[in-house]
Formats: sequence, C-alpha cells, structure tokens
Amino acid sequence: DIQMTQSPSSLSASVGDRVTITCRASQSISGYLNWYQQKPGKAPKLLIYAASSLQSGVPSRFSGSGSGTDFTLTISSLQSEDFATYYCQQSYNTPRTFGQGTKVEIK
Amino acid sequence: QVQLVQSGAEVKKPGASVKVSCKASGYTFTSYYIHWVRQAPGQGLEWMGIINPSGGSTSYAQTFQGRVTMTGDTSTSTVYMELSSLRSEDTAVYYCAREGPMSAPLGYWGQGTLVTVSS
Repeated sequence: DIQMTQSPSSLSASVGDRVTITCRASQSISGYLNWYQQKPGKAPKLLIYAASSLQSGVPSRFSGSGSGTDFTLTISSLQSEDFATYYCQQSYNTPRTFGQGTKVEIK
Repeated sequence: QVQLVQSGAEVKKPGASVKVSCKASGYTFTSYYIHWVRQAPGQGLEWMGIINPSGGSTSYAQTFQGRVTMTGDTSTSTVYMELSSLRSEDTAVYYCAREGPMSAPLGYWGQGTLVTVSS
C-alpha cells in the first residue's frame, strides 16, 4: 500500500497568512494526488485534483503543486472560512490512501 | 445536479451486520465508480473500497476483506455497503463518494451515515 504522510499535523495561522501543507507519498504516484477540505460534521469537499487542477467553484487562493512523491497545498491568503482539516489522497492505485490530515486553526 | 443520498443512522450490537445505502441521482449511474470512506470519531478518513456500478466489480481495502460487501442496483441507482461482524471500533461515519475523471478525485459525497456499535 502507498503511505501518504502530511505535515504538519496541525498549524495555527491568522487571517491573511500564507499557509502551506505538504504531502509525501511512499512511492511515486505521478500526478494522481487530490486535496480535500473538511469542516466539523460535514463531508469532505474536493479542492484540488490531479495535483494542481482547481475544482470548479473553489476560490483561487487555493493552489496545488508537485508530482512524483512530493506535493503541496497552498492557501495564499487565509480566510476565516478556511479553518478546517485538509487531507491529501492518492488515486494512483488501490487502496486509495489518505494522509492523516492537517488541522488549520485560528491563531 | 449530482446527489448522493445515504440512509439514516444505525445502532448495532457487536457481532451484528449493517447495510448502508447510497442513492445516486443527477447523472448516469453506471458511468462512475462509487467509493466508500469511513471516519471514526475524531479521526481521519479511511478508504474502504470501490464498486463499479456497471457490472458490479469491487475492490476492498485489506483491512475490511472478508467483512465488507459492496453491491449496486442499477434499477434504483443505489449502491450498498454491508459490514459484518461489527465491533466497537467500527463506530464511525460512513460516506459514499463518486469518482470523477482525470485523477479519479472524489468530487461528490453523500451526507454520511453514523453507525454506532454498542452493547
């Protein structure tokens, strides 16, 4: 199975900050990497697919980059509605493993 | 619009089975794979498996092999996830999600079904 490791596990940031979350795969997954946002009590929401493609309707302050084993989700200017938990997921093969999540909290 | 509507919350005793449904609408049911993902209280997302509604082929995570069965009913555009031999650690919210094109992201999710396993 491909292991997905996110860092950090949590972070505290202020509105307006630039936030970067990294995700590392245990083997190359090419560009088969997706990012999700989850708020308490809600289903996850797709933000970025194919490593760098912005899902329709998602604000442009979200961006993704990377290929192979190392990937990054960046929020260019954190907004109040962005405080949530973020997960990466590989879709290179099954099982479609998720990272352990990164909780973004208010500083 | 694409919708996935799941069945309601369940309370089960250890050793029992649970069957959760996920009714799809707003698209051609047989054209997209459906995944099941669960989330234990306060924990992360755990991928359980995938079903191709066209033909019914499945692939399950090793963790659930032998305990999970995913099926589909094309007449009602509904997929089902049955988990047997339940234990307290299976208490979680279970989600169905539809796979999309390109990198097969999960672009549409059901609302989740809470399954509580308690004696």
